[in-house]
Amino acid sequence: EVQLIQSGAEVKKPGESLRISCLGSGYNFSNYWISWFRQVPGRGLECVGRIDPSDSYTNYCPTFQGHVTISVDRSLNTAYLQWSSLKASDTGLYYCARYLGDKWGRGTLVTVSS
Amino acid sequence: DVVMTQSPLSLPVTLGQPASISCKSSHRLVYHDGDVYLNWFHQRPGQSPKRLIYKVSQRDSGVPDRFSGSGSGTDFTLKISRVEAEDVGVYYCMQATHWPETFGQGTKVEIK
Repeated sequence: EVQLIQSGAEVKKPGESLRISCLGSGYNFSNYWISWFRQVPGRGLECVGRIDPSDSYTNYCPTFQGHVTISVDRSLNTAYLQWSSLKASDTGLYYCARYLGDKWGRGTLVTVSS
Repeated sequence: DVVMTQSPLSLPVTLGQPASISCKSSHRLVYHDGDVYLNWFHQRPGQSPKRLIYKVSQRDSGVPDRFSGSGSGTDFTLKISRVEAEDVGVYYCMQATHWPETFGQGTKVEIK
């Protein structure tokens, strides 16, 4: 069974760093791009960016360009989304999904508050 | 960015009756390969989105045939032939033809 397993909820303070993960199982991880999305009440679903696990090529959505980093560890079948300095406005539910959204993780809730 | 506009945003429906959701894009969604990357998702409360339809009209595996997608150019539609109780939730259209991928605002379907 194809699954995307995301890491647990995080509570952080502004300025702190964070890395959340997305483990792919049940399929050849390198064959499918991984996309990241954010969902915030009142703002719907937003694209964060995507990565090709075969070569780590990434695209970032303009709103998130320069503020997040998407990476992958093929040996662990895991994709990551990380921040070096969180802001309160980064609060939200972050989903990973296989490219074109045929499978989604359950989401990681990130709360940034002083 | 391509703007996806859904209507209605709220859709009260009677069990067993049909339902229809419209999605209009600000740009044509035909990709270089000739395909149209327009997807429909269903999200129940507390759950992650689930894809129902891809490339305008292709149903995902396991999706009941009461769900159908249609459209072309900039106008697309999701139809439910006979609404069942499990169909409640929010439906989103999403385009993946142009970067960045963008979603509609969502249509909340509830039972009258």
